[in-house]
Amino acid sequence: GAVVSQHPSWVICKSGTSVKIECRSLDFQATTMFWYRQFPKQSLMLMATSNEGSKATYEQGVEKDKFLINHASLTLSTLTVTSAHPEDSSFYICSARDHTGPANEKLFFGSGTQLSVL
Amino acid sequence: GEDVEQSLFLSVREGDSSVINCTYTDSSSTYLYWYKQEPGAGLQLLTYIFSNMDMKQDQRLTVLLNKKDKHLSLRIADTQTGDSAIYFCAEGENRDDKIIFGKGTRLHILP
Repeated sequence: GAVVSQHPSWVICKSGTSVKIECRSLDFQATTMFWYRQFPKQSLMLMATSNEGSKATYEQGVEKDKFLINHASLTLSTLTVTSAHPEDSSFYICSARDHTGPANEKLFFGSGTQLSVL
Repeated sequence: GEDVEQSLFLSVREGDSSVINCTYTDSSSTYLYWYKQEPGAGLQLLTYIFSNMDMKQDQRLTVLLNKKDKHLSLRIADTQTGDSAIYFCAEGENRDDKIIFGKGTRLHILP
């Protein structure tokens, strides 16, 4: 079946550095990808909708300059956490929709990235 | 705003049925979903139901929807140790692919 690959699985970085997370659709083209953030025992919070070839749409309260999203191709979206700080530590998950099939069965999630900022 | 609520924890004996409940607030929800998340993994779609349906059954899974009360439930028959995971209730309108998730219910299986 369709797979969404997310890398890295986990990353530890120093405060002030930037971290890039990749989300790839391996066997389908995704014009739209989504980035979520999940705190322990909390729900997945939608951060932004990544649109291929155009600017991402951010949810209210999400800093665009902090969380840079690039969707340069139909199979790759990246999320860059700029100047990361400890409060950015979280589990980040991407998802992508395969538009070639029934809409409600074709949303696939990556395995997530655990970011720890020291 | 849109909100999805579910209890955080459920403990069930192996072989019994598990029932996970969820309430939502958005009356324009078109689809309601149940996702499963195993430790360190992404989300896996278990099942979904259209808002104009009352029930959907898929093998050991039964979804019940009370649209009037905005209440959704997931019943897992004959619960197995492999069912141990976090189950997320979610709703969406499908217009823009956005899905709003609950906080997830951690299902713990007792021997």
